[in-house]
Amino acid sequence: SQKIEQNSEALNIQEGKTATLTCNYTNYSPAYLQWYRQDPGRGPVFLLLIRENEKEKRKERLKVTFDTTLKQSLFHITASQPADSATYLCALDNTDKLIFGTGTRLQVFP
Amino acid sequence: GAVVSQHPSWVICKSGTSVKIECRSLDFQATTMFWYRQFPKQSLMLMATSNEGSKATYEQGVEKDKFLINHASLTLSTLTVTSAHPEDSSFYICSAHPLYGTGSYEQYFGPGTRLTVT
Repeated sequence: SQKIEQNSEALNIQEGKTATLTCNYTNYSPAYLQWYRQDPGRGPVFLLLIRENEKEKRKERLKVTFDTTLKQSLFHITASQPADSATYLCALDNTDKLIFGTGTRLQVFP
Repeated sequence: GAVVSQHPSWVICKSGTSVKIECRSLDFQATTMFWYRQFPKQSLMLMATSNEGSKATYEQGVEKDKFLINHASLTLSTLTVTSAHPEDSSFYICSAHPLYGTGSYEQYFGPGTRLTVT
């Protein structure tokens, strides 16, 4: 069956450290993969998109990798801040639709 | 740019009544909009794809007669929950992709509508 799994339901890290979130998928062949941030009671906000032929993408303190052999994407936030606390969702395309992972709730504490 | 609004942001209705939720793209046109439902501590589940000027495409298990979708213009899609029941209580979110973009595929989401059926 098709599945998209994100490594853990919750991740707690200390301010200043690098947060690493994992997204694994099975039985999909996405052309691209996206990461979104969602705050409680709000809609998701787009962060980064990485295509199947790209290994890595960066945007400010964010970095995404995409390994189509492992069927995995890693999402890194460097120098994390309490304001980065939110739920992060990975999403991959499936015939013009986005399928979302279960999400990882990140908590950055001072 | 790329702002999507939803109205209302929250609504409480009685069981058996119908509720309409609007989704608007404020500064871009969208031939396609998407409707999602999210239960507490769960991810977004795609309900249907709304196509301007044609019928919506529903995901498996979503009742098209219960969740009526109308995409009357390139900036407006509506979702009507008919004969709502308590199990329909959820967070409904729409998204849109610009008609003329930069070749990227990110979706822009509305702020969501919290529906509570009593």
